[in-house]
Amino acid sequence: GAVVSQHPSRVICKSGTSVKIECRSLDFQATTMFWYRQFPKQSLMLMATSNEGSKATYEQGVEKDKFLINHASLTLSTLTVTSAHPEDSSFYICSAQNRIPNQPQHFGDGTRLSIL
Amino acid sequence: ILNVEQSPQSLHVQEGDSTNFTCSFPSSNFYALHWYRWETAKSPEALFVMTLNGDEKKKGRISATLNTKEGYSYLYIKGSQPEDSATYLCAFRGAGSYQLTFGKGTKLSVIP
Repeated sequence: GAVVSQHPSRVICKSGTSVKIECRSLDFQATTMFWYRQFPKQSLMLMATSNEGSKATYEQGVEKDKFLINHASLTLSTLTVTSAHPEDSSFYICSAQNRIPNQPQHFGDGTRLSIL
Repeated sequence: ILNVEQSPQSLHVQEGDSTNFTCSFPSSNFYALHWYRWETAKSPEALFVMTLNGDEKKKGRISATLNTKEGYSYLYIKGSQPEDSATYLCAFRGAGSYQLTFGKGTKLSVIP
């Protein structure tokens, strides 16, 4: 149980393109979803937290107009990197959590984004 | 900014050896400490969620201890196997927050 599917796993595109990444919880209701970014040899860094049906909460230094997050249902959250540039190239990974206390976050497989 | 440190950064052990590594985290405002195993090309897999000082949890050959007063947790692997090769992440959760602050991980390579 507790499977999270993230798609696509790899994206290579030109500078200026917008890229959408989907994160789905397949067998549980994800009341909260998290989006992380990881640069080489660095830790997973939280970008934003989204709760179903409400606006995402962004971490300091993360541009909300650049990284659009939608969490319209209890099983789906999307991250759209708008007008991506080479410096946005990174590994993006989502996780999902339900309301039960002291449960771990369940992660997707991640998306490797390369902007040319 | 919360400081979560893991050591060592990487280690190589022979198959059959036992090993352990450390996660240090803030000793104040503690709620939980998570451990994950992250194999290459897979998603991070939850190992333990630890909440109580003195907690010890076990899953097969892997166990973990928690000291919230001094801010550290140890992860132990008994009789390492090649399939244990992965990056082991710890993550701190503070009181009043759902957010996790991750360490950089310890990369374990088990040599057959």
